[in-house]
Amino acid sequence: DTGVSQDPRHKITKRGQNVTFRCDPISEHNRLYWYRQTLGQGPEFLTYFQNEAQLEKSRLLSDRFSAERPKGSFSTLEIQRTEQGDSAMYLCASSLGTSGGALSPPSWPKRDQYFGPGTRLLVL
Amino acid sequence: GENVEQHPSTLSVQEGDSAVIKCTYSDSASNYFPWYKQELGKRPQLIIDIRSNVGEKKDQRIAVTLNKTAKHFSLHITETQPEDSAVYFCAATSWGYQKVTFGTGTKLQVIP
Repeated sequence: DTGVSQDPRHKITKRGQNVTFRCDPISEHNRLYWYRQTLGQGPEFLTYFQNEAQLEKSRLLSDRFSAERPKGSFSTLEIQRTEQGDSAMYLCASSLGTSGGALSPPSWPKRDQYFGPGTRLLVL
Repeated sequence: GENVEQHPSTLSVQEGDSAVIKCTYSDSASNYFPWYKQELGKRPQLIIDIRSNVGEKKDQRIAVTLNKTAKHFSLHITETQPEDSAVYFCAATSWGYQKVTFGTGTKLQVIP
């Protein structure tokens, strides 16, 4: 499978525990995104990276959330001191943009985002 | 920031009929509008998109229209089939960065 992969697919944890999710994007994609999706809602943007640089973070990303992409390949999303309200599907997506920085628009045909299968988190 | 509204939230059609889903956006800087289909328990999958330099795009039974002036865009599915049953999300984003704002989704049920 050469698509976006995420691990784990499911995570059950107790309130107050820390959890970490991993996303492996499509190999040639330099942009990586994290979204959160709750039941009956569309995906909500959390943050995105171009290569290893984290270029934007949503206000939804409280200080308990941190994302990294240290080598510009895979990314991790950590949630500290989980709360029941953190229960959701965490989706990762990747796309191919130019390497000229955040303000360089990617080619039209290549900016499509491809989603991973998601990590479903349940906080008890 | 961008705000995308989507209607209806649920839609039931008879097999073979057409389905139309409508979205509005608020940020005039948005210029790329993808549509995603999400089947139960699966990831969103891009089915069609439209750029702001065109008003309409068609791919087999699926078409999208865009009215930049009114900030409206729509998804049209003709000759619906049971396998079209899913949740459909519209989205909006713009050049320069790719924060994508999604609509709240439309659950489409095609009745055989």
